[in-house]
Amino acid sequence: SQTIHQWPATLVQPVGSPLSLECTVEGTSNPNLYWYRQAAGRGLQLLFYSVGIGQISSEVPQNLSASRPQDRQFILSSKKLLLSDSGFYLCAWRVGTITDTQYFGPGTRLTVL
Amino acid sequence: AQSVTQPDIHITVSEGASLELRCNYSYGATPYLFWYVQSPGQGLQLLLKYFSGDTLVQGIKGFEAEFKRSQSSFNLRKPSVHWSDAAEYFCAVGANNNDMRFGAGTRLTVKP
Repeated sequence: SQTIHQWPATLVQPVGSPLSLECTVEGTSNPNLYWYRQAAGRGLQLLFYSVGIGQISSEVPQNLSASRPQDRQFILSSKKLLLSDSGFYLCAWRVGTITDTQYFGPGTRLTVL
Repeated sequence: AQSVTQPDIHITVSEGASLELRCNYSYGATPYLFWYVQSPGQGLQLLLKYFSGDTLVQGIKGFEAEFKRSQSSFNLRKPSVHWSDAAEYFCAVGANNNDMRFGAGTRLTVKP
């Protein structure tokens, strides 16, 4: 069966520090991968999505970036965190079209101080 | 691009009472509609989805939703709420290009 992992589960970082969040999927091949951010009271905001290795689409301009070095690995990064980067970051995957189910990881709680 | 509105930020119901969570979407073509549930500090789990056929869709955990094209709505319902249903609920609309947009969510509190 398919499994999605995210780590770390929680992270507290100072403003201006770098960031690396990792997401890996098991049990499937060539998934579409997604990074969402959930800020308090603001629902889910799509940050990046990827349809294949090295293919990244950005939804919103920001100081975050994403990479997909392997088929089932999706990384969210920042060179310098801002206070506004605090939130709950969710990775998701889907194989197929919009009618197929999109599965979410357990999330990473990021607090920038 | 498509968009979703969940008018209710927070709803409180008594255990055993019925529940309806509202969702309105905006999309020029036939929408693909979803309801997800998120328990505190967890990821999202799909409750149900609609993309064609019968407009009343059954999901997991006793939830159902009805697609009403004339009202651009996809409201989620449950006849009798259990304490374990306390969570945040997200409506989402998808498009043919695989793009999916989520609403801001409705937080459900269940009173004993």
